[in-house]
Amino acid sequence: DGGITQSPKYLFRKEGQNVTLSCEQNLNHDAMYWYRQDPGQGLRLIYYSQIVNDFQKGDIAEGYSVSREKKESFPLTVTSAQKNPTAFYLCASGTGTSQPQHFGDGTRLSIL
Amino acid sequence: ILNVEQSPQSLHVQEGDSTNFTCSFPSSNFYALHWYRWETAKSPEALFVMTLNGDEKKKGRISATLNTKEGYSYLYIKGSQPEDSATYLCASLRSNDYKLSFGAGTTVTVRA
Repeated sequence: DGGITQSPKYLFRKEGQNVTLSCEQNLNHDAMYWYRQDPGQGLRLIYYSQIVNDFQKGDIAEGYSVSREKKESFPLTVTSAQKNPTAFYLCASGTGTSQPQHFGDGTRLSIL
Repeated sequence: ILNVEQSPQSLHVQEGDSTNFTCSFPSSNFYALHWYRWETAKSPEALFVMTLNGDEKKKGRISATLNTKEGYSYLYIKGSQPEDSATYLCASLRSNDYKLSFGAGTTVTVRA
């Protein structure tokens, strides 16, 4: 089945630690996105990539980093600089601006 | 309107009744309006992508309308069923940056 796989489903971070969230897609989509959801708020864009080896900051990129070395993969690293990382993180992919995005099941990140 | 806003935040509807709710978005630089359904413990699923003023789209018992001049879209559910219980997200795509801006969602609970 084609889709987006996010792992792990739950992740815990210690103070001063970097953690990486995985996102893999087999939909052959060029574009991939990372969103963050906090209670009572809409999804907010962290980073996005339109093509391999290229990515752009979204609205809340501070404290996060990404890479796009392969079309299928778009991992997100939550660095120790992100002071409020507790949230639900969604990865998505898409083919164009007039097409819908396809989402993974999400990763919930908590602080120990 | 500077951000995407959805109202109401939540609603309860009796099985068999119809309901509707609103998405308001900035009308300037409008490019497209997305609707997604997000069921608990699942990933968001695309319902519609709408681009033209006056457009109406339908998928089963769910339909949506779009007014790009005044910046709003309505989503209608006809004859609500328990499986319609979900959070419905709308997102606006603007032509100045082609990034999706999401509303916080309307959570629909259908009571049997």
